Amino acid sequence: GEDVEQSLFLSVREGDSSVINCTYTDSSSTYLYWYKQEPGAGLQLLTYIFSNMDMKQDQRLTVLLNKKDKHLSLRIADTQTGDSAIYFCAENQGTALIFGKGTTLSVSS
Amino acid sequence: GAVVSQHPSRVICKSGTSVKIECRSLDFQATTMFWYRQFPKKSLMLMATSNEGSKATYEQGVEKDKFLINHASLTLSTLTVTSAHPEDSSFYICSARGGTNYEQYFGPGTRLTVT
Repeated sequence: GEDVEQSLFLSVREGDSSVINCTYTDSSSTYLYWYKQEPGAGLQLLTYIFSNMDMKQDQRLTVLLNKKDKHLSLRIADTQTGDSAIYFCAENQGTALIFGKGTTLSVSS
Repeated sequence: GAVVSQHPSRVICKSGTSVKIECRSLDFQATTMFWYRQFPKKSLMLMATSNEGSKATYEQGVEKDKFLINHASLTLSTLTVTSAHPEDSSFYICSARGGTNYEQYFGPGTRLTVT
């Protein structure tokens, strides 16, 4: 199976909160990441969390890490139409990053 | 964050020809660069890792003679797709890592179409 798993789609209304979930398999991963990809573009690093942290907040973004269950989530508060994109979670294995397949977030007004 | 550029952004070539894609770190020195391939509706697949001045390390299943990687300086890595075939058509993305161990910055990607 995949090393990193995510649900493929999420649809929310503008102003609501979005929660994107991810599970990973490598318990030795030091960092876990969230990247955003807009159509036809590369990946933009949104945020990352060190494996010994439970939570990290950065403006509208909140990352929660449950290391016991190998579960990572990204919460976007007050979701805007500009947040529509594909969101990838990733874990590091050594120097390389292993990505999930991405969650397509669709925000309707 | 740091800026990574790729050139060209889009290329169409004929089967059998070779195509070179450049990846540059514009405002930092990239000790390590990575090349990924992204298939439609699929995740990114790591192809190879390159450190400046040394040979690239290829992932299992990636043909090193077909995908030539050169990391000649701390700001430039190139990927050459040799004898391209239509199945090589894809979105190729590079990333670069500087002094920190945890931040990896991605280029905007290159869309390759082989006819």
